[in-house]
Order: sequence, then structure tokens, then C-alpha cells
Amino acid sequence: EDKVVQSPLSLVVHEGDTVTLNCSYEVTNFRSLLWYKQEKKAPTFLFMLTSSGIEKKSGRLSSILDKKELFSILNITATQTGDSAIYLCGGGTSYDKVIFGPGTSLSVIP
Amino acid sequence: GAVVSQHPSRVICKSGTSVKIECRSLDFQATTMFWYRQFPKKSLMLMATSNEGSKATYEQGVEKDKFLINHASLTLSTLTVTSAHPEDSSFYICSATSGRWGDTQYFGPGTRLTVL
Repeated sequence: EDKVVQSPLSLVVHEGDTVTLNCSYEVTNFRSLLWYKQEKKAPTFLFMLTSSGIEKKSGRLSSILDKKELFSILNITATQTGDSAIYLCGGGTSYDKVIFGPGTSLSVIP
Repeated sequence: GAVVSQHPSRVICKSGTSVKIECRSLDFQATTMFWYRQFPKKSLMLMATSNEGSKATYEQGVEKDKFLINHASLTLSTLTVTSAHPEDSSFYICSATSGRWGDTQYFGPGTRLTVL
């Protein structure tokens, strides 16, 4: 059965801290690893990773995929209160379906 | 980026009524649309995959007669919750993809359904 596991499930940090969110997956017909940020409403896209070892960056966020270990991390440096959200990791299949993990709830306190 | 809309954003209905939720891709053609359900503080649960012009594929445990999905065009999919009950109250989110390699899913803003 396909599954995506995220850790930690929740995290509280102070502004300026660096955080690492973990995602492991077992997904049949795996094609891509996706990261989304969800605040009050629908998730917004962060990264799509298809190749191992190639880091993707967007501002203070970065992510990398290890297809051998079936693992991905999302890093956020110099966290701000606006980074508080649920971060969802999803394993995308070749049929465009995405299996989501439970999410990591990040709270950044001033 | 691509835009997906949902309507209505919030609906309150009586038990036993049917509710229709629309999902539209506004600036691209969506070969595939997905319907998710999300409980408070929980992850997204995929309900079904909808391809334009064909029957939806439902995930295990999702009642197809209860959650009717129609994908009539490349820009519109609808989810109808039939004979809604309080346990159907949830946040329903659709997403759409063009299906091109490298394209991701774009999510709608979601619909909050409350069944009294």
C-alpha cells in the first residue's frame, strides 16, 4: 500500500531558526516528490523533485530528494512568523495521482 | 501560475439534501482533476481522480454513489454529495493538472461543507 510519512508532525521554533522537515515515501509508479505549504485554505505549491541529489531552492526554502533511500527534506532557513503553516509532502505517481503525508505543522514564534 | 477556482466556498445544508461543488481551471485545460477531503488538522485524503470525458476513478472506501463526480469539459469538474449527512461535513478541495510532463497539481481554494 502506498504511504508517505512525515516527521516531525509538529514543530515550534523561534524566528531566525533553521528547520528541516522530513518525508519518506513508498509509492508505486513514483514519478515525483512534491512539497506544498498550507495555511488557512488550499495548499500552495513549493517544489517538485524528480531527480536525486539536485537541490531546488526558492529564497529561504530548499529541498532535495534521495530516490535510493526514498526520502526528501525541506529546509527553511532564518524562519519568519509567516512560515507558520502545515507543510505537506506528496508522492506523485505516473498517473498524476499524489499520495500525501500527514503534514508537519510548523509554528514560528517571535 | 495556473488558477483553479471552486464554488461555493462555503455551504451549509440540511441533512438529506444534495450539494454540488464546482471546480474550474481558469487559465489552462485540465486533463485530470482530483477531489480531496480534509478533516481538521489532518492531511488531504484523495477521494477520486477525474479525467475529462470518462468515469471517475474512486479511491478505496469512497462511495461512488454518494460522491458523484462529473468532468464534463477540460475546465470543469463537479462533485455532488448526495443525501448529505452530518458526517459528510468537511473541507473539500479540488486540484487540476494539465497532464504535461513536469506540470504539478494546482489546488482550488476549497469548499467548507457543513451538514446540519
